[in-house]
Amino acid sequence: DAGVIQSPRHEVTEMGQEVTLRCKPISGHNSLFWYRQTMMRGLELLIYFNNNVPIDDSGMPEDRFSAKMPNASFSTLKIQPSEPRDSAVYFCASSTSAGDEQFFGPGTRLTVL
Amino acid sequence: GQSLEQPSEVTAVEGAIVQINCTYQTSGFYGLSWYQQHDGGAPTFLSYNALDGLEETGRFSSFLSRSDSYGYLLLQELQMKDSASYFCAVNYYNQGGKLIFGQGTELSVKP
Repeated sequence: DAGVIQSPRHEVTEMGQEVTLRCKPISGHNSLFWYRQTMMRGLELLIYFNNNVPIDDSGMPEDRFSAKMPNASFSTLKIQPSEPRDSAVYFCASSTSAGDEQFFGPGTRLTVL
Repeated sequence: GQSLEQPSEVTAVEGAIVQINCTYQTSGFYGLSWYQQHDGGAPTFLSYNALDGLEETGRFSSFLSRSDSYGYLLLQELQMKDSASYFCAVNYYNQGGKLIFGQGTELSVKP
């Protein structure tokens, strides 16, 4: 089992550029979660999907952030335009609908200059 | 709103027992989870309490008391590799397993 796969692992970009983060959940998992982690704000839930449908996006900071899950094996988190305050580690996690445990990917470290 | 409080740092020595507390101000959740995160790594699941009481998994145990809005993670026979951050999280199972995390406790294990 490959686990949750995220790409890229590191991204450095300039303010104003579009950033797309990618996630492949574990096969058979019905729920997918996007988190952001910073020293100041800790681990924040941004949005999550169940059976490819967005359930709760109340954690998405603003309209510059958007997420999609076109099928059960792929999700994207897009930031457009990016700002320095978006610099953080972004984690994707997946679980079964009945699962107690979320499996986290290795994260994408985003730096916006 | 939802609020979970944990100590920011705990220090202990190898072989000792340490307890990391988590108090919360939220309702309607289904259980309390604990995750471990090493520097530069991803959070990994440790335990989940759906019911009040103690859950034991090897050297780690977790406890939940809904009446006291309180839980804890107990680590026994501490090892250097246990140095990491530990997060409690409330689990909203009825909302697709949504987790809301506390700010984390950084545990340092000294020789």
